[in-house]
Amino acid sequence: GAGVSQSPRYKVTKRGQDVALRCDPISGHVSLYWYRQALGQGPEFLTYFNYEAQQDKSGLPNDRFSAERPEGSISTLTIQRTEQRDSAMYRCASSLGQRGQPQHFGDGTRLSIL
Amino acid sequence: SQQGEEDPQALSIQEGENATMNCSYKTSINNLQWYRQNSGRGLVHLILIRSNEREKHSGRLRVTLDTSKKSSSLLITASRAADTASYFCATDAQGTYKYIFGTGTRLKVLA
Repeated sequence: GAGVSQSPRYKVTKRGQDVALRCDPISGHVSLYWYRQALGQGPEFLTYFNYEAQQDKSGLPNDRFSAERPEGSISTLTIQRTEQRDSAMYRCASSLGQRGQPQHFGDGTRLSIL
Repeated sequence: SQQGEEDPQALSIQEGENATMNCSYKTSINNLQWYRQNSGRGLVHLILIRSNEREKHSGRLRVTLDTSKKSSSLLITASRAADTASYFCATDAQGTYKYIFGTGTRLKVLA
């Protein structure tokens, strides 16, 4: 079956613009995670959804970052007024349940802020 | 901040040898997972071990967990060139849903 799909694969934008990154999880997966990964580092947790409920957003760096999953399936991570320091690989993962389930990762969106 | 720390940071071995990498973490956990990441690609789940388990096997992989020392090890036996990748441990602290990934071990298997 289809894996986790993220779009766009690459996004280049000018500083100050808003960007929206999309994640389409595996069908039937309840849990959805957003991570940010710097080169040579492990993924850094941003936020977690259980169905449509955002149960943990403690990893979002500041209020320019927001995420939603309105129907419990596709999720969007939005960054407003982008800054150069926001440049990174943004990864989405989904899993069947809340705890103790493997996470399935997408290939990520490479965001570059000029 | 990262909760997990893997060591070594990098490991280079010959094909056929065993590779061992270690992970340490800071707080009580529900479970610990190991993931592999090939260059530039998404992470792939390898194995999950629960906090009440001490050892788990999957094919050529063997994972141990010592909750008293807050550490885990991943052993890859009879390594192959295709095992070349970065390996990360991930833990979920008790009472939370978020997973914290370590800094990773970069494994290179020479043919």
